[in-house]
Amino acid sequence: KAGVTQTPRYLIKTRGQQVTLSCSPISGHRSVSWYQQTPGQGLQFLFEYFSETQRNKGNFPGRFSGRQFSNSRSEMNVSTLELGDSALYLCASSLGRVNTEAFFGQGTRLTVV
Amino acid sequence: DAKTTQPTSMDCAEGRAANLPCNHSTISGNEYVYWYRQIHSQGPQYIIHGLKNNETNEMASLIITEDRKSSTLILPHATLRDTAVYYCIVRVPGGYNKLIFGAGTRLAVHP
Repeated sequence: KAGVTQTPRYLIKTRGQQVTLSCSPISGHRSVSWYQQTPGQGLQFLFEYFSETQRNKGNFPGRFSGRQFSNSRSEMNVSTLELGDSALYLCASSLGRVNTEAFFGQGTRLTVV
Repeated sequence: DAKTTQPTSMDCAEGRAANLPCNHSTISGNEYVYWYRQIHSQGPQYIIHGLKNNETNEMASLIITEDRKSSTLILPHATLRDTAVYYCIVRVPGGYNKLIFGAGTRLAVHP
């Protein structure tokens, strides 16, 4: 069974640009969550999508957005990039029921210059 | 959200058991305890979870105290590949796929 796939693995963008990251969940999983990891703040929850609807949202500005498609694949978008958005972005997929384990992808390393 | 407290770092000799403690004194009756680990720059890996009974799988054992205010993750025979940051997480009721990570414990396994 294929795991969670995130693309691209590495990305370099310039301040002010926007970026779109992609996450393909494990087959059969309907929930995808996104996390940001930085050395200063650690792992922080961004948002969760389930059946194409945002179900949970963390405390991030509106520049961070996401969506989920009917095949459960998800994208997250960051607009007007800032230097502080440089981070490892991780997605996790799960069946989406309460108290089921989440499986993480390898992440996308975003560097904003 | 129930807060967890873990030691910042721990050491363990290869082949010995690694016992990683976690305090979650404000845990609610329906909240599960989850453990994940993250090996350098990789995505976190699910290890085990439990509610009130002790749990064991092929990776580890989870011991939860009777009052559920603390738990211990046990890696029975640590190897160098177990060197990682270990996160103890209390799962938010209704939080579905939302995990609140703390700083975790950095476990170093030495030869």
